[in-house]
This record gives sequence, C-alpha cells and structure tokens, in this order.
Amino acid sequence: KNEVEQSPQNLTAQEGEFITINCSYSVGISALHWLQQHPGGGIVSLFMLSSGKKKHGRLIATINIQEKHSSLHITASHPRDSAVYICAVSGSGGSNYKLTFGKGTLLTVNP
Amino acid sequence: GAVVSQHPSWVICKSGTSVKIECRSLDFQATTMFWYRQFPKQSLMLMATSNEGSKATYEQGVEKDKFLINHASLTLSTLTVTSAHPEDSSFYICSAEGGGTDTQYFGPGTRLTVL
Repeated sequence: KNEVEQSPQNLTAQEGEFITINCSYSVGISALHWLQQHPGGGIVSLFMLSSGKKKHGRLIATINIQEKHSSLHITASHPRDSAVYICAVSGSGGSNYKLTFGKGTLLTVNP
Repeated sequence: GAVVSQHPSWVICKSGTSVKIECRSLDFQATTMFWYRQFPKQSLMLMATSNEGSKATYEQGVEKDKFLINHASLTLSTLTVTSAHPEDSSFYICSAEGGGTDTQYFGPGTRLTVL
C-alpha cells in the first residue's frame, strides 16, 4: 500500500508570504494530484503531474520521481488561499485511477 | 472545465431510514466514478469504484449491502445509504473520471447527518 505523507500538517502565514507544502510517497505512481478543499468541503483539483513542474497563476507544483517527492508552492499568498491542501497519488497497486490521499495541510493566511 | 454535481448538498435523516445521494457529470461522460467518505479532520477514504453498466468494486471494510451503488448511465451514479445509523454521519464526495483526460473531477460533497 502506498503511504502518502504531507508536511506541515498546519501552516499559518501572513498575506504576501511564499508558501511551500511538501508531499512524499512510498511506491511508484502514475500521477500525483494536488487538491484544494475549502471549509465548505468542496474539492477542487489544482494539478495532476507525473514529472517536472506545472504552474497556474500563483500556484506552482513540482515533482521529483526519483525522490518520490512533490511540492506545492503559493506565491504572494492571500487570505482566500486559506484551505486544506491535499496531496494524492494514483497508479499504485495496478490501478491508474484509484487515489491514495495524504492527510492534508491546513493553510491559514492572515491579512 | 468539467463539472460534477451532487444532490443533495446536505441531508438530515432519522436512524433506520435510507438516503440516496446522486452524482452527475454535467458536461462529459464519466466512464468511472468514485465514492469517498470523509470524517471530520480525516482524509478522504475511498469507498467504492463504479463503472457504468457493471457492479461497483468496494474497498475492504465497506459493506456493499449497506452502501448500494448504481451507475446506470455515463452521467449518473447514485449511492444509497441503507438503514442509516449515526455512525454513518459523514461527508460523502464523488468524483468522476472521463472526458478524455486522466483527471478526476470532484463533486461538491454531501453532508449526511443521521439522528
């Protein structure tokens, strides 16, 4: 079974700060996903990546397949970025679609 | 982008009753849908994988007779919690895979409270 570890569990930042959330996994995968869950519960898929780096607005996701590690960066953080960020991996155990989730990182950005 | 809806968004029911939750892919055909459950401050846990026209595949520890899943069309999957009990109170989320991508699109979730 693939274990997905995220750090930190909780993160508090001031508006404008650069944020980094880390994710490590234990076995081979086909893709890694970064998800955002707002207090109401709804989940938004931010990135799916299998190599390299992706950027969308102020969000950047990187993955190092050899080291089994990914990072999610938020530049110029804003209070509306406050949410739980979840790392999930797919493709372990023979299934390309089943996701294994990390426990999430609760980000609070203060004005 | 692809949109997945869930209905209802929240439901309160009495112990012993059954509750049906719908998951719809609004602008694409979902070959596979997933049902997750999330308890407070916990991560999402996959309950079952649903493929259109075939029986759902349940994860270990999930009672198939209690959580009935029907994926009758490429745009609709339903989860019925039968004889609900307070311990079934949770946040149920569906996701759909399809539309020519490997991305899973998540629904907004349904909060179930069993009294």
